[in-house]
Order: sequence, then structure tokens, then C-alpha cells
Amino acid sequence: NAGVMQNPRHLVRRRGQEARLRCSPVKGHSHVYWYRQLPEEGLKFMVYLQKENIIDESGMPKERFSAEFPKEGPSILRIQQVVRGDSAAYFCASSPPGGLGYGYTFGSGTRLTVV
Amino acid sequence: RKEVEQDPGPFNVPEGATVAFNCTYSNSASQSFFWYRQDCRKEPKLLMSVYSSGNEDGRFTAQLNRASQYISLLIRDSKLSDSATYLCVVKGVTGGGNKLTFGTGTQLKVEL
Repeated sequence: NAGVMQNPRHLVRRRGQEARLRCSPVKGHSHVYWYRQLPEEGLKFMVYLQKENIIDESGMPKERFSAEFPKEGPSILRIQQVVRGDSAAYFCASSPPGGLGYGYTFGSGTRLTVV
Repeated sequence: RKEVEQDPGPFNVPEGATVAFNCTYSNSASQSFFWYRQDCRKEPKLLMSVYSSGNEDGRFTAQLNRASQYISLLIRDSKLSDSATYLCVVKGVTGGGNKLTFGTGTQLKVEL
């Protein structure tokens, strides 16, 4: 069974461009979570999605950032008009429905560099 | 106050030493607790869940004190390969109960 797959592993964008980060959850998992880790900082929650629904987006910046998890296909985190401060590692995790006792498995992350 | 607080370290210990990490959390309604390990900015990996009764996995022992909102991790007989950042993680309360909140991590360096 494949784990959480994220691509690309590394992404370089110029200021003002759009960045699209993809996350394919573990097969059978319907919950996806995105986290951001800025250099020298801890992981910060961004958004929690279920298929076709955003459950909690309390950690998402109000502008330029959006996320979706369509019925078919991977979850996408989109950053429009990127700025240097968006440079970070973006991690995705997935989980099956329910189960408060479960920890999550993370993908290897996408390292975004804005130049 | 941060939701999850940890001493950032680093903790520099000789091989074979016993080392303990502590963590406090602010929300008394939190429901699940974990320790994760992160190596060199790679993805965090689940080390173990934490229960009030205490749980042990080989050289690792985790403990939860709900009354004090305190979580601990004890590593016995440290190995060089234990060098990493250890993340205290709390789950629940908001977002349908499924959001993980991470501490900033405690860095461990095990030396010869």
C-alpha cells in the first residue's frame, strides 16, 4: 500500500507566480490535512478537508491560499501570487474516517522556494 | 499562551544516557496525545501514542497527566540514531475533533 504521496518534492516559483501542490492520500482515506513548516519553526495547521468539503480552514491565510479535495483525484493546495514568505515545507497527511485515537501518516512534503 | 509548549533544547547527551522531554498543553478538552519524531526537516513520523496509564515501546516510555495537562517522553539507553527533533502533538477539540496541533519540538543530539 502506498503511503501519502505528495508532488512535486521541490517547487521553485518566481514572485507573483502560482504554486500548486498535490497530495494523494492513503487509499481508502477520506480525510486530508495540510500543514506548513517555515524555516526554523514548527508545523502549523492550515486546513482539514474531507471529500468535496472543507471542514476546518482556520489556519489558512485569508488571501491567496485555497485548498480543495475533489471527489476524484488528489487534494490540491493552491497559492496564488507567491511571495518570498511563502517559502516553506508543505506537508500533507491523511486519515480514515473517525478514530480520534489515531495519529496520522504524513507525506514527504513539498519544499516551495520563492525566488 | 501556546497551545502546546516544549523546551526547544538542544539536549546534548552521551550515548547510553537516559533523557526526558516534557510538554504542556493549554486546552483541557484535548482528546488524544502523541509523540512524533522529525529528522532534518523531513516529514514527521509517529513515534507513539500517549495514554494516562502510561505506555512503553522498547526504550521509549510516554506518560500523560491530564490533571496537570502534561505529557512526557523518556528515552533510555540513547542511541546515536535517536538524534532528531521530538514533537509533542495534541489532537481534538476543534475542526470536528481531528486537528493535530504540534509543539515546536525538542531537539536531541546523542553523541559518542
